[in-house]
Amino acid sequence: SQKIEQNSEALNIQEGKTATLTCNYTNYSPAYLQWYRQDPGRGPVFLLLIRENEKEKRKERLKVTFDTTLKQSLFHITASQPADSATYLCALDDTNAGKSTFGDGTTLTVKP
Amino acid sequence: DGGITQSPKYLFRKEGQNVTLSCEQNLNHDAMYWYRQDPGQGLRLIYYSQIVNDFQKGDIAEGYSVSREKKESFPLTVTSAQKNPTAFYLCASSLGGGPTGELFFGEGSRLTVL
Repeated sequence: SQKIEQNSEALNIQEGKTATLTCNYTNYSPAYLQWYRQDPGRGPVFLLLIRENEKEKRKERLKVTFDTTLKQSLFHITASQPADSATYLCALDDTNAGKSTFGDGTTLTVKP
Repeated sequence: DGGITQSPKYLFRKEGQNVTLSCEQNLNHDAMYWYRQDPGQGLRLIYYSQIVNDFQKGDIAEGYSVSREKKESFPLTVTSAQKNPTAFYLCASSLGGGPTGELFFGEGSRLTVL
């Protein structure tokens, strides 16, 4: 069966450190993999999209890697700040499926 | 400002009542989606529509109904057949055509069944 797993429900790190979140999947062939940020009681906000033929993508302090052999994506936030505290969701878009499937999310807390 | 508007933000319903959640977008997107989110969980797809007058069931469509009569509107009805309707409902849109790409979300509607 298809499955998306994000490494842990919660991740606590110290301000200034790099946060690394993991998204593993089985029985998907995603054309795209996306990462979203969600604050409590709000809708998710798009952060980054990486295509199946891309290995890495960066945006400011964010970096996403995508390994289709390992079926894994890593999401890094460098020089983390307390304002980065939120839940981060990965989403897979199967080729031509016309829909995205989400993982359960990882809640990141950055402590001052 | 372009975006997605969901209403109402909070809604209370008695058991046995149907309720309709509104979702409007002015992004000129072809595709629209409804997701449900329960506490501590990710988003589960209820229904989606790639084009006007057409929609498909998602993973948890039972007890829900939708319509797509206009490009900018995709209302969701939570019927009395939905066994556990208390949840946070999110509407989203995307450009459409092939893989989904970036999803734009509304601020959500929180439904509580009393």
